[in-house]
Amino acid sequence: DADVTQTPRNRITKTGKRIMLECSQTKGHDRMYWYRQDPGLGLQLIYYSFDVKDINKGEISDGYSVSRQAQAKFSLSLESAIPNQTALYFCATSGPGTYNEQFFGPGTRLTVL
Amino acid sequence: AQKITQTQPGMFVQEKEAVTLDCTYDTSDPSYGLFWYKQPSSGEMIFLIYQGSYDQQNATEGRYSLNFQKARKSANLVISASQLGDSAMYFCAMRETGGGNKLTFGTGTQLKVEL
Repeated sequence: DADVTQTPRNRITKTGKRIMLECSQTKGHDRMYWYRQDPGLGLQLIYYSFDVKDINKGEISDGYSVSRQAQAKFSLSLESAIPNQTALYFCATSGPGTYNEQFFGPGTRLTVL
Repeated sequence: AQKITQTQPGMFVQEKEAVTLDCTYDTSDPSYGLFWYKQPSSGEMIFLIYQGSYDQQNATEGRYSLNFQKARKSANLVISASQLGDSAMYFCAMRETGGGNKLTFGTGTQLKVEL
């Protein structure tokens, strides 16, 4: 089983709809992250969380909110989706390790019409 | 200013040849880490190699090596003996001290390995 899972993997929604992307991890890591990837722009950090009680904004948090329901779960919400939020969304985790590298989920491809 | 710059949007290499993917970075933090990730067409992000700013030697992981030139602020990825499966997007990323292990990514280089 994958260590970092994301649901849904693909989602098409309409402008103005509320949508939630979910991330779960079995790595036991405290730190979790949400990124979005747009063509030609690399990955940009939306929000990150050090633990359940510690949530921080990233570079591009406007229009997004998050919830850390448990150590293993970190959800990203778009309260009122707009077309320029169409992107590939990644969840990642990091914890104690040789390089403290981030481990990424498979991504959620979101299309807002 | 861009913190991570990858100036090669696309690269081609012949199978079995070596290829270098460029990455320059900008930071005033004396302690930082540099990462390379691979993103195949299936979309997942795969960690390849890490270089710490205080590491004395260039990092190596199998066919991947990192040509770290601290004074020039460059951290180029070298892939030796390219294989068809190396065709993917490659991202350079930097972690700065005190940043909560946040990563700043470059815009990526699309590598295509040809027969």
